[in-house]
Amino acid sequence: EVQLVQSGSEVKKPGESLRISCKGSGYSLTTYWISWVRQMPGRGLEWMGRIDPTDSYTNYSPSFQGHVTISADKSSRTAFLQWNSLKASDTAIYYCARHGACSGGRCYSGPFYGMDVWGQGTTVTVFS
Amino acid sequence: QSALSQPASVSGSPGQSITISCTGSSSDVGGYKYVSWYQQHPGKAPRLVIYDVNNRPSGVSNRFSGSKSGNTASLTISGLQAEDEGDYFCCSYTGRSTWLFGGGTKLTVL
Repeated sequence: EVQLVQSGSEVKKPGESLRISCKGSGYSLTTYWISWVRQMPGRGLEWMGRIDPTDSYTNYSPSFQGHVTISADKSSRTAFLQWNSLKASDTAIYYCARHGACSGGRCYSGPFYGMDVWGQGTTVTVFS
Repeated sequence: QSALSQPASVSGSPGQSITISCTGSSSDVGGYKYVSWYQQHPGKAPRLVIYDVNNRPSGVSNRFSGSKSGNTASLTISGLQAEDEGDYFCCSYTGRSTWLFGGGTKLTVL
């Protein structure tokens, strides 16, 4: 089964660092780009950034550039989202998702097919 | 970067059709054919229901369809069912390998 499995919930204090993970299984991680998406409590989805696990090239939303770092480890088939100094406003659910789609019996990888497989989400709570 | 504009809520009775709009600009929705739509039920991860404006992934009911005109994309759900109730988000490519979501629309099946 193709799936993305994320690390568990985290409770942190402002100023602390954190790295959460997203492990792919059932497919080759390097074949598909991975994006990270934030959902603050009771709010909508926000695209944060993406990585190509093949070469670890990244792009970020201007809203998140400089505040988070996205990385990947091909050997462990895992993508990461990292903060060096958390704020209370970082409290949210964070999802990873792969870029691709399956239709008509075929699966396609590539940045423009939408995000077809999502992790279960990691809840991050930051308070003092 | 502001979110794409979606109505906050829409509603319909079982069997009816509804349409959710997603309005952006020539820099996103209007400039590319890469608009996708996601369904999210409470406490669950989003689910892809339309990609590349009007393509359905495997396993998605043909009651879901998408279209685009100018800077506005639309998701239509026909033959509404109770299970369709939830939140719906559009997402558009915005160039330079970046994406932008809409603010989301809450669908209520009456």
